[in-house]
Amino acid sequence: DVKVTQSSRYLVKRTGEKVFLECVQDMDHENMFWYRQDPGLGLRLIYFSYDVKMKEKGDIPEGYSVSREKKERFSLILESASTNQTSMYLCASSLATFTDTQYFGPGTRLTVL
Amino acid sequence: QKEVEQDPGPLSVPEGAIVSLNCTYSNSAFQYFMWYRQYSRKGPELLMYTYSSGNKEDGRFTAQVDKSSKYISLFIRDSQPSDSATYLCAMSAYSGAGSYQLTFGKGTKLSVIP
Repeated sequence: DVKVTQSSRYLVKRTGEKVFLECVQDMDHENMFWYRQDPGLGLRLIYFSYDVKMKEKGDIPEGYSVSREKKERFSLILESASTNQTSMYLCASSLATFTDTQYFGPGTRLTVL
Repeated sequence: QKEVEQDPGPLSVPEGAIVSLNCTYSNSAFQYFMWYRQYSRKGPELLMYTYSSGNKEDGRFTAQVDKSSKYISLFIRDSQPSDSATYLCAMSAYSGAGSYQLTFGKGTKLSVIP
C-alpha cells in the first residue's frame, strides 16, 4: 500500500525560527512535491523535485527552500518563519511528474506566532 | 480569468441524492483530468482520472469531461454521509520542454445529511 508520511501533524513555531518539514515516501517515486493549502486559495505548489538533488520552483517558492538528498525523502525549509506562512503543508509523490496520480501525505498544520 | 474555476460551496444534500460537482477551465491544452477527495484533516486522495473527453464510471462515481465546453463534472449517485468531504478537480497540460503543469481547483465542500 502506497504511503507518504510527514514528520509532524501539528507544529507551532515563532517568527524568525528556521523550520524543517520532512516528507518520506515508500513507493520509489521519482517525483515529490510540496504544497500549501489555505482557505479560499486552494492548493498551491511551492517546490517539486523530479530526482535526487534536483528541484524546481513552483508557483510560490518565496520564503522556502527544499532539499532532496535521498530519493524517498523531500524536505521543506522555512529559513525564517513568518506569520503569513501559517498554513497546512502537504507533501505528495508521483511516478510521472504532472500526469500521474499524486499520493498525498496527511499534512502538517504549521502555526507561526 | 483564473485557469480553473470551481465553486467552493458549501453544498449540502440529503442522503441518497445525486450530487453534481463541476469545474470550468480556460486552458484548452489541458489533457488529463482528475478528481481528488479530501476528508477533514487528511491529505487529498485520487478518486477519478480521465484522459480526453467522455465519461468514466467507477461504482457510484462518474467523471465527465467536455473539452469543447472546457467543463468537467463529477457525479455521485446515491450519496452517503461518508461522501462528505472536499472535492478538488485537477488538470494537467504539457507546458513545453518536456514538462507539464498541474492546476488544482479550490475545492467544493460537500456535506451529505443523513
